Amino acid sequence: QVQLVQSGAEVKKPGSSVKVSCKASGDAFITYGVIWVRQTPGQGLEWMGGIMPIFRTTNYAQKVQGRVTITMAESTGTAYMDLTSLTSEDTAVYYCATANLNGLPILWGQGTLVTVSS
Amino acid sequence: EIVLTQSPGTLSLSPGERATLSCRASQSITRGNLAWYQQKPDQAPRLLIFNASSRATGIPDRFSGSGSGTDFTLTISRLEPEDFAVYYCHQYGSSPIFGQGTKLEIK
Repeated sequence: QVQLVQSGAEVKKPGSSVKVSCKASGDAFITYGVIWVRQTPGQGLEWMGGIMPIFRTTNYAQKVQGRVTITMAESTGTAYMDLTSLTSEDTAVYYCATANLNGLPILWGQGTLVTVSS
Repeated sequence: EIVLTQSPGTLSLSPGERATLSCRASQSITRGNLAWYQQKPDQAPRLLIFNASSRATGIPDRFSGSGSGTDFTLTISRLEPEDFAVYYCHQYGSSPIFGQGTKLEIK
């Protein structure tokens, strides 16, 4: 069964950056695109952005636009989410998910906890 | 920007009962791009329903989705113990956004 495997938990200082990776297990490849969603402690889900290599497009939520960059290394099938200028409000679990052509998040990774603290 | 409002915030029911969860959009959702997810504590969300009424692979048929335009419903026909969780609706495609969630708890 295909799984999405994300990189491990991170602790970061305010003002720094974090890069989270996401890769399909085994020889499986992410077919269409990847969506990133975050969840602050005890709160709901927030769509951050997505990448569709098949269309050569990326889209970001207005709230994080300018601070987030989503990329994909097509040779390895690994997606990355880079978030800069971190504040305590960025403390959250960050999820990646495979997306179909309509941007529907389908299969989710296990989540990566990013803690921003001085 | 579309806002998705889920109701109720918390729903208390017993196993075997029927659950009806609502998701209302502030504007009409085009092409029925509305999905429902289930999330249990310390787990990632799991896709249940897409295109408003299509069940995802492996989802039991006690889960059903309906609705169009601005009003959508997730129905669980007969609650099993493993169904108690938080449920989110999600508009995908253009201007993606999640609802705030409905917690389904055991009465």
